[in-house]
Amino acid sequence: GAGVSQSPRYKVTKRGQDVALRCDPISGHVSLYWYRQALGQGPEFLTYFNYEAQQDKSGLPNDRFSAERPEGSISTLTIQRTEQRDSAMYRCASSLEVGRATEQFFGPGTRLTVL
Amino acid sequence: AQSVTQLGSHVSVSEGALVLLRCNYSSSVPPYLFWYVQYPNQGLQLLLKYTTGATLVKGINGFEAEFKKSETSFHLTKPSAHMSDAAEYFCAVSTDTGGFKTIFGAGTRLFVKA
Repeated sequence: GAGVSQSPRYKVTKRGQDVALRCDPISGHVSLYWYRQALGQGPEFLTYFNYEAQQDKSGLPNDRFSAERPEGSISTLTIQRTEQRDSAMYRCASSLEVGRATEQFFGPGTRLTVL
Repeated sequence: AQSVTQLGSHVSVSEGALVLLRCNYSSSVPPYLFWYVQYPNQGLQLLLKYTTGATLVKGINGFEAEFKKSETSFHLTKPSAHMSDAAEYFCAVSTDTGGFKTIFGAGTRLFVKA
């Protein structure tokens, strides 16, 4: 079966533009997570969903960042009015069940560069 | 609040030598702990996890980790390194306050010399 996929894999944009990053989780996975990973650092939690409900968005840096998962499957992370400091690898993960102990399956990430 | 510290951003070992990657955690509740591995241009992949029960946990590719509550540690080991083990390794702790988000360490890059 297919793993978690993300698109685009690379995105270069100009400062001030909006970007939308897509995550397609493993079919049937209940939970979906978004992380941001700076070079040389571990993934930093942004937000997560159980089904279509956003459970925790405490990691979103500011109100320019938003995420949705309207039908409980594909999710979109949107960054409005991008800034250079938004440049990073954005990773998505999904898990089969809700809970602390569940394994997360990660996608390959979207490398965002803001010029 | 939970946190993870990985000692050493880079570790280099010879092929066949012992691999030891260090992880210390901070948690106000009994921790759930994970090790993930990341190969170049790929997503993170679970190596092993500790939830409850036996403190020595075995994972894939010959790796194991031991949960030591008294030392707040969860170090990752492998008796004999292989060239294919060269990758970045992340220790993580799962919270249970306000949801189930996972906190990752900064990672340790493992180099294996022939």
